[in-house]
Amino acid sequence: QVQLQQWGAGPLRPSQTLSLTCEVYGVSLSGYYWSWIRQSPGKGLEFIGEINHRGDTTYSPSLESRVTMSLDTSRKYFSLRLSSVSAADTALYYCARAVADKWSHYMDVWGKGTTVTVSS
Amino acid sequence: QSVLTQSPSVSGAPGQRVTISCTGSTSNIGSGYDVHWYQHLPETAPKLLIYLTTIRASGVPDRFSASRSGTSASLAITGLQAEDEADYYCQSYDSSLSISVFGGGTKLTVL
Repeated sequence: QVQLQQWGAGPLRPSQTLSLTCEVYGVSLSGYYWSWIRQSPGKGLEFIGEINHRGDTTYSPSLESRVTMSLDTSRKYFSLRLSSVSAADTALYYCARAVADKWSHYMDVWGKGTTVTVSS
Repeated sequence: QSVLTQSPSVSGAPGQRVTISCTGSTSNIGSGYDVHWYQHLPETAPKLLIYLTTIRASGVPDRFSASRSGTSASLAITGLQAEDEADYYCQSYDSSLSISVFGGGTKLTVL
């Protein structure tokens, strides 16, 4: 059974860097895209970006200048770093496995989510 | 402002049929890109309901179905049950942004 276990640092101050990691259980990283999605309080889901097993990345244009994703295939985890955070980055962050069918990527396995709060 | 537009809320009585719409544009749904649907219950991770526009995910009852027409897609739920009360999100690919995009979500209330 495929499972994603995610973790990351606690509350952040503005301008700090958010760092989250998602460990993959039950499947190889190969053949899938590994995604990060967030949900701000009272808002909908927002795609942050994704990375495949080769390290190819796609980032949301609105976050691209601050986002870095990486992965470690031997340790089976992938990570998100978001720099220069502000209160607007306060959200519930999810990692997810994305299945690719041509241009279409759908998220079939999700982590439980990590709450990130940015406050001075 | 989400790239895909969903009505904020919809409601129905147990046993009824409801539909949730997802309106996009020519750079996403209108270009033929597939639409996927998720059910999001409070305090849980989103759950894949429908993928590649019409295919039910494993374990999803056939009360759930979806379709696409032009620049819009819709999710239909028949025989509404109390456990269906949740937020529902559509997702597709947008060629202008070159990323996956989500709708703003629709809150389903079972009366």
